[in-house]
Amino acid sequence: EAGVAQSPRYKIIEKRQSVAFWCNPISGHATLYWYQQILGQGPKLLIQFQNNGVVDDSQLPKDRFSAERLKGVDSTLKIQPAKLEDSAVYLCASSFSGTPYGMQYFGPGTRLTVT
Amino acid sequence: SQQGEEDPQALSIQEGENATMNCSYKTSINNLQWYRQNSGRGLVHLILIRSNEREKHSGRLRVTLDTSKKSSSLLITASRAADTASYFCATGNQFYFGTGTSLTVIP
Repeated sequence: EAGVAQSPRYKIIEKRQSVAFWCNPISGHATLYWYQQILGQGPKLLIQFQNNGVVDDSQLPKDRFSAERLKGVDSTLKIQPAKLEDSAVYLCASSFSGTPYGMQYFGPGTRLTVT
Repeated sequence: SQQGEEDPQALSIQEGENATMNCSYKTSINNLQWYRQNSGRGLVHLILIRSNEREKHSGRLRVTLDTSKKSSSLLITASRAADTASYFCATGNQFYFGTGTSLTVIP
């Protein structure tokens, strides 16, 4: 079974530039999550999708971050414009269960460096 | 905040010893999950314990849950160098992760 795929794996941009990350969840997984993990901290949930609908985006900085999940499969997370404090690893995860309580499978992450 | 908090922040043991780490949380939960993160394999789910369970085993892992104290512990027996990683607990409806316990197993 293929795991959660993410791209790119690494990205370096200057502040005020835009960047987009892509995630392809495990086939059949209805729930998709985006997390931000700053060095030395645990993952912080940014947004959760159930199919193509948003379940929770309470911690997403909506003035600069946006995410979509078209057709309930792939998802993209965008930052525009980026700030220095956005430097982090962005993790995508998916779970089979339709509830938020199920086991999550994580992708390898995208390491973003904002200079 | 529903955030789980792991304790200790760092732990260093010799190979073959047991490692115990703890997680405390603040609100009622449906389940509590433990994850491991290392540079090689990313973030991996280890075990899930439901709120009506008190103890669960999986291989060399033993997890306990005390909902009255809002705490959980993860025991890794007969540790191996490959167990070197950061360990996180995740709780709540929206998967709040703590800051993790960094475990180093010395060969």
